[in-house]
Amino acid sequence: DVKVTQSSRYLVKRTGEKVFLECVQDMDHENMFWYRQDPGLGLRLIYFSYDVKMKEKGDIPEGYSVSREKKERFSLILESASTNQTSMYLCASSFGDRASPLHFGNGTRLTVT
Amino acid sequence: QKEVEQNSGPLSVPEGAIASLNCTYSDRGSQSFFWYRQYSGKSPELIMSIYSNGDQEDGRFTAQLNKASQYVSLLIRDSQPSDSATYLCAVKGDSWGKLQFGAGTQVVVTP
Repeated sequence: DVKVTQSSRYLVKRTGEKVFLECVQDMDHENMFWYRQDPGLGLRLIYFSYDVKMKEKGDIPEGYSVSREKKERFSLILESASTNQTSMYLCASSFGDRASPLHFGNGTRLTVT
Repeated sequence: QKEVEQNSGPLSVPEGAIASLNCTYSDRGSQSFFWYRQYSGKSPELIMSIYSNGDQEDGRFTAQLNKASQYVSLLIRDSQPSDSATYLCAVKGDSWGKLQFGAGTQVVVTP
């Protein structure tokens, strides 16, 4: 079975802090993604990566950055956390072809106070 | 803007009945179609994949695809209370492997 592991299930941070969300997958997937999910807004793509050191902006990249130094690991960075970044963050991975589905991690519920 | 549309629901279904969920998409070049189930507070879980016109069955789930009409549907037979969840339709079209997600349909199975 595919395993996508997110480092924290729940996280509470203060406004202005730098926040790191880590994601690791064990299936040698080329593609990795970061989404956030908010009630009424659905899943929104923040960033994705199709190879090591490669990244592409998604629909809502403002206030976020990412890092992919190794194929299995994809990090989401909130440079200066704000209260409007309180959300459920979901990491996902997939092979790079058109037929492969995304496999999601368990999610990190981030609260910024 | 490429879009995936679903009725938000809630879709109320008696236990043992068939739940029918629909999804339409705008990108005619879409190639792969997926249904995810998401329980409240949990992450999406893949339940069905379909790639060609027609039906794809897996247990109590049947996915149906009609590319000419640009819709994909999910049938849940013999609905159980454990099927109560939000069902997300997802469509993949471009080469980078991004999925376009619908907003989801909430299904409530009543005993």
